[in-house]
Amino acid sequence: DIVLTQSPDSLAVSLGERATINCKSSQTVLYSSNNNKNYLAWYHQRPGHPPRLLVYWASTRESGVPDRFNGSGSGTDFSLTISSLQAEDVGLYFCQQYFSIPVTFGPGTTVDI
Amino acid sequence: QVQLQESGPGLVKPSQTLSLTCNVSGGSFSGSIYYWSWLRQSAGKGLEWIGRVSSSGNGYYNPSLKSRVTISVDAVKTQFSLKLTSVTAADSAVYYCTRHSGSYYFDSWGQGTLVTVTS
Repeated sequence: DIVLTQSPDSLAVSLGERATINCKSSQTVLYSSNNNKNYLAWYHQRPGHPPRLLVYWASTRESGVPDRFNGSGSGTDFSLTISSLQAEDVGLYFCQQYFSIPVTFGPGTTVDI
Repeated sequence: QVQLQESGPGLVKPSQTLSLTCNVSGGSFSGSIYYWSWLRQSAGKGLEWIGRVSSSGNGYYNPSLKSRVTISVDAVKTQFSLKLTSVTAADSAVYYCTRHSGSYYFDSWGQGTLVTVTS
């Protein structure tokens, strides 16, 4: 199985400031024969709620997701950046690979204010 | 907009079978491009994909759970179901039903249902 690690485990950011979360994969999730797509997604989860898809293909924002969320990276190293943190952005952030079955998730990064 | 809702017992005894159902509404189900998956989340294991079923009933499971899992679909009722046999305390988790395309990123989730395995 592909193992995803995330860093940091948690971070505290002031309102309006930038937050960056990193995700590292134990093997590449770049499928070079499919338009060079990275099979990686990001989710946000608030306490008591299910995860919400933010980004897929490493950098494509899901419909309705604010443009302050930006995914980047390729191969084995990825980042999710929140350019200007809002109060509703607190919670857990997960990366997920769908390059191979079983799909797997990172352990999560807690973002607080 | 599609909505998913899990239902089933919140308590299951060890060695018994966990059974959950997900009702899908507000979107295309039969013959659609979508697949329907179950995932679970626990403090110990984080988020774990259990398996998926197509609207025509083809199942595909996480190898780590394959021997104990069956996911089935009822297209008429627009529901899909999870059965997990021989449960132990390690199967205690919040169980989510989800939707995804042929690429396994999950764009719609149910609210989740807590299942506790206890005698």
